[in-house]
Amino acid sequence: DVKVTQSSRYLVKRTGEKVFLECVQDMDHENMFWYRQDPGLGLRLIYFSYDVKMKEKGDIPEGYSVSREKKERFSLILESASTNQTSMYLCASSSANRTAGSGANVLTFGAGSRLTVL
Amino acid sequence: AQKITQTQPGMFVQEKEAVTLDCTYDTSDQSYGLFWYKQPSSGEMIFLIYQGSYDEQNATEGRYSLNFQKARKSTNLVISASQLGDSAMYFCAMREFYAGGTSYGKLTFGQGTILTVHP
Repeated sequence: DVKVTQSSRYLVKRTGEKVFLECVQDMDHENMFWYRQDPGLGLRLIYFSYDVKMKEKGDIPEGYSVSREKKERFSLILESASTNQTSMYLCASSSANRTAGSGANVLTFGAGSRLTVL
Repeated sequence: AQKITQTQPGMFVQEKEAVTLDCTYDTSDQSYGLFWYKQPSSGEMIFLIYQGSYDEQNATEGRYSLNFQKARKSTNLVISASQLGDSAMYFCAMREFYAGGTSYGKLTFGQGTILTVHP
């Protein structure tokens, strides 16, 4: 019954390595999101995508890039990992744009990927 | 400026009692949605309840209800008859609808409140 799958639950990388975090959803959702979660800061949006090959910066895009070549897959890339990118990364998806008053359009989250950069 | 503020880093409640988790928000939009998610120690984010800014009634879902005070820009989560399984991190989040009334669906989250239920 898994709907949003993140490829790795735990990763340990070294400073300077290139890191790929993969996310796949099977709900045919148009929107996909990458958040990072840090204690005391809640979840902060890194990037999101509302269509294949489309991407928008979130609140903290520095040091990250994303790729969405297929509707079901949204990848987060750390070109050169740094220790301050040690965090929990959460992928989410939701249906297409909705107008105000049309209901919740809930984000469905993956289980998270805990990245440690040494 | 912080858009979503949860001022209670941690809360404790006795089993079977009710507890209120606070959340205030800041927006100039007239149309927005407010969400609460639960995150147990396992890490998954579980959607609990939603309130639209135009909804006249406070939202309820089983033991969860919202005390939505639009003028005060607050949407507090009330959990009635607490259970041990309610021990978790709780996040409040907001979706704003931009000019034209559409949204890409992104949510802005608060810092979270850790709830501990004692037997």
